[in-house]
Amino acid sequence: DAGITQSPRHKVTETGTPVTLRCHQTENHRYMYWYRQDPGHGLRLIHYSYGVKDTDKGEVSDGYSVSRSKTEDFLLTLESATSSQTSVYFCAISESVSLAGSNEQFFGPGTRLTVL
Amino acid sequence: GNSVTQMEGPVTLSEEAFLTINCTYTATGYPSLFWYVQYPGEGLQLLLKATKADDKGSNKGFEATYRKETTSFHLEKGSVQVSDSAVYFCALASGSARQLTFGSGTQLTVLP
Repeated sequence: DAGITQSPRHKVTETGTPVTLRCHQTENHRYMYWYRQDPGHGLRLIHYSYGVKDTDKGEVSDGYSVSRSKTEDFLLTLESATSSQTSVYFCAISESVSLAGSNEQFFGPGTRLTVL
Repeated sequence: GNSVTQMEGPVTLSEEAFLTINCTYTATGYPSLFWYVQYPGEGLQLLLKATKADDKGSNKGFEATYRKETTSFHLEKGSVQVSDSAVYFCALASGSARQLTFGSGTQLTVLP
């Protein structure tokens, strides 16, 4: 299994509070991604990173920010959590991307976040 | 933009039945196609993949063929087992960072 850990695994917080989720990898993969999983929507991309300090927005980036100061860590921050951000959050990593390659992404175990 | 449409679930089958989960996609360029599986309480695992038209991905008895003419990547298995009960996601990879676009998922339950 790819070495990806997420912390915390479960969190309950209140509306308006800041929350930071951490993704840590031991694979030295270049690309990292944050997704959220909601019923009826599958997984949707929030932000992704293509290197240290290089990040970009995904489909549902509003209300979220990210940072990647080291290859192994990718942080997702909710500056002021809202109930609509209650979800399961998955981190993923990929070694390389190309048109010809398989571009396989490996997923972490997920973080269940509840915003009351 | 890119999108993936999956057959709606839930799907309930008896053990040893034939499984088909339909998946169609809309994408620009040359996406890679994937099926991921999620067992209860776990993250997603890659089940199979195909990177170009007419490629067939296969794993654990599951198969899917990349059909560019019909923009489809249907998942099939000839004889399902109880242990195949899970949620199955069709996805495509595109864009500069090969971001994944997922279908909504299909819940499969296999009864003994």
